[in-house]
Amino acid sequence: DAGVIQSPRHEVTEMGQEVTLRCKPISGHDYLFWYRQTMMRGLELLIYFNNNVPIDDSGMPEDRFSAKMPNASFSTLKIQPSEPRDSAVYFCASSVVLGEQFFGPGTRLTVL
Amino acid sequence: GESVGLHLPTLSVQEGDNSIINCAYSNSASDYFIWYKQESGKGPQFIIDIRSNMDKRQGQRVTVLLNKTVKHLSLQIAATQPGDSAVYFCAENTAGRRALTFGSGTRLQVQP
Repeated sequence: DAGVIQSPRHEVTEMGQEVTLRCKPISGHDYLFWYRQTMMRGLELLIYFNNNVPIDDSGMPEDRFSAKMPNASFSTLKIQPSEPRDSAVYFCASSVVLGEQFFGPGTRLTVL
Repeated sequence: GESVGLHLPTLSVQEGDNSIINCAYSNSASDYFIWYKQESGKGPQFIIDIRSNMDKRQGQRVTVLLNKTVKHLSLQIAATQPGDSAVYFCAENTAGRRALTFGSGTRLQVQP
């Protein structure tokens, strides 16, 4: 298996632009998680899905952030409009059972 | 790489020595704990886990110790190797909630 796949690996955009991050979880995994990692706040959970349904989105910073999972093999995290403070590394992870979450390589987002 | 910032606590050890990385947690309802390793430019990688009904669990070169009385978790790495250099995170989970709460991380530097 290729593991969790994220794209793009790097994204540089200007403030105000829309950003879409993509994730393909490991096949057969029922849970999908979006995390954000920054120097100041460490690794934070943004939202997670179970069987394509959002379960807990309490970590989503504000309405500018939205996440979807239209099917079991694809999820997106969208930021509109983006701001410089959104600059971070965004990770997607998936799991079958409690505990061992498999992380993707991350997307480094820079908002100028 | 995309790892974490420059202000993490750092543990520096000589190659071949044993390493002990500590983690304190605050939620007494946490019942599942994991250690992750994050190398520069990569996502976190599962190392070992432990449930709250245990106080010790061993892996190949790693041991996790759990002290629920003082809410403390430690990761011991035997015969530390240069490839062990990374940031190590503890994560906890509360029953019924699939998402993990991550600690702030410790950077391990192995001197040859």
